[in-house]
Amino acid sequence: AQKVTQAQTEISVVEKEDVTLDCVYETRDTTYYLFWYKQPPSGELVFLIRRNSFDEQNEISGRYSWNFQKSTSSFNFTITASQVVDSAVYFCALSEADSNSGYALNFGKGTSLLVTP
Amino acid sequence: DVKVTQSSRYLVKRTGEKVFLECVQDMDHENMFWYRQDPGLGLRLIYFSYDVKMKEKGDIPEGYSVSREKKERFSLILESASTNQTSMYLCASSLLAGAYEQYFGPGTRLTVT
Repeated sequence: AQKVTQAQTEISVVEKEDVTLDCVYETRDTTYYLFWYKQPPSGELVFLIRRNSFDEQNEISGRYSWNFQKSTSSFNFTITASQVVDSAVYFCALSEADSNSGYALNFGKGTSLLVTP
Repeated sequence: DVKVTQSSRYLVKRTGEKVFLECVQDMDHENMFWYRQDPGLGLRLIYFSYDVKMKEKGDIPEGYSVSREKKERFSLILESASTNQTSMYLCASSLLAGAYEQYFGPGTRLTVT
């Protein structure tokens, strides 16, 4: 079963628009970790943020913000005033404490974001 | 900064060949992982290792094996390459499990003809 769902396959916005990338996860563990990664056209995944299940505080880093809500099992990512350089594929991922996969990341299928001038 | 390097960015092999993909990390990380990435399927875990000479199967280990003789190096082996193994292969490492982010290499795009 898919543990991380990114329902938006592709999003296209015009520069300076705000955009939210959705992420819904599924786990039975009480301890787990959520991540967002960015994959630009060059291909290398870049770590953006990590959240543990005990910390529901939202986080802001420059134009990026993350909204973690355990009640809806969501960990959404918002880019404010998008720029062309934000064009990339964004992955949400889950790591479970009780996993027998060495805390390997369960990735969503990614959301491709295109920001046009 | 953490550096994860992979031996090749692009690789073309023939069906039946034995293929070695090498990954090296320079931050003394305990855990190392191999994923493959395919369009529409996202990233899927092939194998991981939490210590030298230790390995565990991931979600799709069939047709692959791994080797970790040194802490910094984790190799993925395709014993007899097949066309359905054409994919992007990504190596990652992390300091410890769970709470720590994984750092990824640039990937190897393998084409099996």
